[in-house]
Formats: sequence, C-alpha cells, structure tokens
Amino acid sequence: QKEVEQNSGPLSVPEGAIASLNCTYSDRGSQSFFWYRQYSGKSPELIMSIYSNGDKEDGRFTAQLNKASQYVSLLIRDSQPSDSATYLCAVITPKTSYDKVIFGPGTSLSVIP
Amino acid sequence: DVKVTQSSRYLVKRTGEKVFLECVQDMDHENMFWYRQDPGLGLRLIYFSYDVKMKEKGDIPEGYSVSREKKERFSLILESASTNQTSMYLCASSSDSAEQYFGPGTRLTVT
Repeated sequence: QKEVEQNSGPLSVPEGAIASLNCTYSDRGSQSFFWYRQYSGKSPELIMSIYSNGDKEDGRFTAQLNKASQYVSLLIRDSQPSDSATYLCAVITPKTSYDKVIFGPGTSLSVIP
Repeated sequence: DVKVTQSSRYLVKRTGEKVFLECVQDMDHENMFWYRQDPGLGLRLIYFSYDVKMKEKGDIPEGYSVSREKKERFSLILESASTNQTSMYLCASSSDSAEQYFGPGTRLTVT
C-alpha cells in the first residue's frame, strides 16, 4: 500500500458543480494535511491546510479530515474552468528528528464550461 | 510573502557534466527540499534538509548529492549528469509541520 493515495483521474465536472477530491494515508501518526493546486507547467501552491477532524472552509474550498478513517478530502463548490489543475494531497508525520512529508500522486481536475 | 528562488528556469547540459542547482529561501525556514517531477510519476523527493549541514535521503537519492552550508541556501548536485535525469526539479522550504513553499522549478535537459 502506498503511503498517500489519490484517485489519479482525470476527474471531469461541469462548470458550477461540486468537485470532490479524495486522499487516503497509511500512517496513523500523521498530524498535518495539505492540499496543493498545480497548474500545468507551474509549481504547486498551497490552497488548504487542516490539522483536526472535521471540516475547514475557505471560500469555495472545504477540506474534510477523518483521522479514524485516515481520509482527507477537498470539495470545490461552484467549480470554475480556472480550477482545472492537478490537486496534490500532502501528509506530514512527525518522526524523531524531523517531520516526514509525503505527497500523493495528484488528481487531475477538468472543469468543463 | 515567502519567496523561494531557483537559479535557473531552464538548463541544458551534456551527459557526464557536473550540474549545480541552487535554491534560496528568504523566510528563515528550517526545512528545505529537492523534488523531481515527471509525467505520471508525481513529485518524488530526492533529498531534504532540516537544519544547516543536515541532510536526509528521500525516495530517489541515487545520482544526486546536496549541500546546505547556510540556512537559506540548499544546493542539488548531479555529479555526472545522465539522460534519465532530464526532469523538472522543484525546490521547497517550510517551517516545522507546516506547509511547503515551492520555487518556480528548473527544467533540466541532459543530452
């Protein structure tokens, strides 16, 4: 089992719909969770962080974390063509000397006008 | 705003050359990272550093080395470049347990 898994997609949604992106992780000691967006040819940029169980909302984005199920998701409401990108899930697990950061493979999202 | 800069956006080198990729961050972050990104393979961690002069191997360290003599600067070295090292190289920095900030990337082509 890979340490951080995501559906590779591509995920296609019509403009205005809700896009749902999922991520699962294997290490129960993981404590910090991030969603990055990466446009083609660009570097990843942070869009959401979440540290405790439940939902966290920021504009059209909602991150959901369920540590018992080892699952984190990102919902994008009122999807826009400009949301078309690859979304990377990142998980941080504290180790003895440093924090281990693992990125998932990413999910490609296409929002159809 | 956090700024992470990389020495080159595009680089073309010949097989066997020694290649230096430089990364500088201006936010006094403890942690710095080097990744490569290839189509279909996602982000793969090459090396990271959690303190000056400290380094840890990532998932794919073979053929690479790193140097961190100052907190703000993290260098990736390809001792003898090979064609399979043609890739996009991304540098990032972070403070502990926090989000990473990425540089713009260096697209390296080895011919």
